[in-house]
Amino acid sequence: ETGVTQTPRHLVMGMTNKKSLKCEQHLGHNAMYWYKQSAKKPLELMFVYSLEERVENNSVPSRFSPECPNSSHLFLHLHTLQPEDSALYLCASSQDGGQPQHFGDGTRLSIL
Amino acid sequence: QQQVKQSPQSLIVQKGGISIINCAYENTAFDYFPWYQQFPGKGPALLIAIRPDVSEKKEGRFTISFNKSAKQFSLHIMDSQPGDSATYFCAASIGTSGSRLTFGEGTQLTVNP
Repeated sequence: ETGVTQTPRHLVMGMTNKKSLKCEQHLGHNAMYWYKQSAKKPLELMFVYSLEERVENNSVPSRFSPECPNSSHLFLHLHTLQPEDSALYLCASSQDGGQPQHFGDGTRLSIL
Repeated sequence: QQQVKQSPQSLIVQKGGISIINCAYENTAFDYFPWYQQFPGKGPALLIAIRPDVSEKKEGRFTISFNKSAKQFSLHIMDSQPGDSATYFCAASIGTSGSRLTFGEGTQLTVNP
């Protein structure tokens, strides 16, 4: 596989569920990102990891919990989500935390 | 605070026409301006990018025009094709070493056959 792979592609969950999104990059990069994409809004940067250390957390609610066990894998753990959290969640990676960023195809999350 | 404003929200162009999408930014520290293309069901993919030391960059049918004094940049798609139908996002960052990309709201382009 090449590029940035995200699983699952679609996820429907209730507000009381706990689930995780997974991202894997095969580009040899050392920085990874989570973005939220909502309709008709700019992409919102949620978290940045560089060399497996979280370097940025943009006021994201604690119901979103990222994990970066190594430079190739990134997870987003979800619990007690709200309907407004329904969106496309995109993972990206880059070299040395710079540009350009390479995006995965996202996980479409729907909260019932 | 919306630091990168993109227009129009949607655009319909006939095949063979020119598609023009505009962006304006506020932060004068921005000095890297990429455009991303996103097809339905796919993630954004880097299309073309420019640094402010040039006023124009061309790659095939895609051209970025940059006006530093006006703090504006635009994407021109020449000879637009139905396969160009996608959502286009402009973005800006402080240098290529900066991780934070500030995105515009996106333009949904439809090219009619």
